[in-house]
Amino acid sequence: EPEVTQTPSHQVTQMGQEVILRCVPISNHLYFYWYRQILGQKVEFLVSFYNNEISEKSEIFDDQFSVERPDGSNFTLKIRSTKLEDSAMYFCASGDMGGETQYFGPGTRLLVL
Amino acid sequence: SQQGEEDPQALSIQEGENATMNCSYKTSINNLQWYRQNSGRGLVHLILIRSNEREKHSGRLRVTLDTSKKSSSLLITASRAADTASYFCATLGNQGGKLIFGQGTELSVKP
Repeated sequence: EPEVTQTPSHQVTQMGQEVILRCVPISNHLYFYWYRQILGQKVEFLVSFYNNEISEKSEIFDDQFSVERPDGSNFTLKIRSTKLEDSAMYFCASGDMGGETQYFGPGTRLLVL
Repeated sequence: SQQGEEDPQALSIQEGENATMNCSYKTSINNLQWYRQNSGRGLVHLILIRSNEREKHSGRLRVTLDTSKKSSSLLITASRAADTASYFCATLGNQGGKLIFGQGTELSVKP
């Protein structure tokens, strides 16, 4: 069964450093998303991407964040200058043309020191 | 903003018992979905119920939706130790849109 994959599974970085989190969505899906979950808290929406552009973003998704779909398979989230409060589990998700069900990857656990 | 909020926050039962989790939300929805998350792991999609549906079954899972009360329930019958996980409801406002997650219910099933 096709699944969403994410790399790396864990990343430790110093405050102020740039990180790129990578995702390979399910191949025929059209909708792409990033969510995050701070330890012990609920999953929060960051950004959605459709037709090669951002379709919606949350207040969390400020100028330090960007997304890209550089080729037909990868979907990346870049944090330009990480802060301590960016430490969280970051989930990528993709949705098919119906746009109803979202399938989540296993997550990247980011720790900013 | 729409929010899915679950109760109880934590539930501990014995294997074989049924587990019921409830979710409430605030605004109109296209559908409501339930996800499971094992400790520190990814989210696994369990079941989706559309706004025009009232009840749905999938194996040992039964989901109900009451749009007049803006609430949903997830029932897991004949629970197993392997069902131990956090369960989240998430609402979708429009196709292709964002999911709004609740705080989750932490279910512990003791063998």
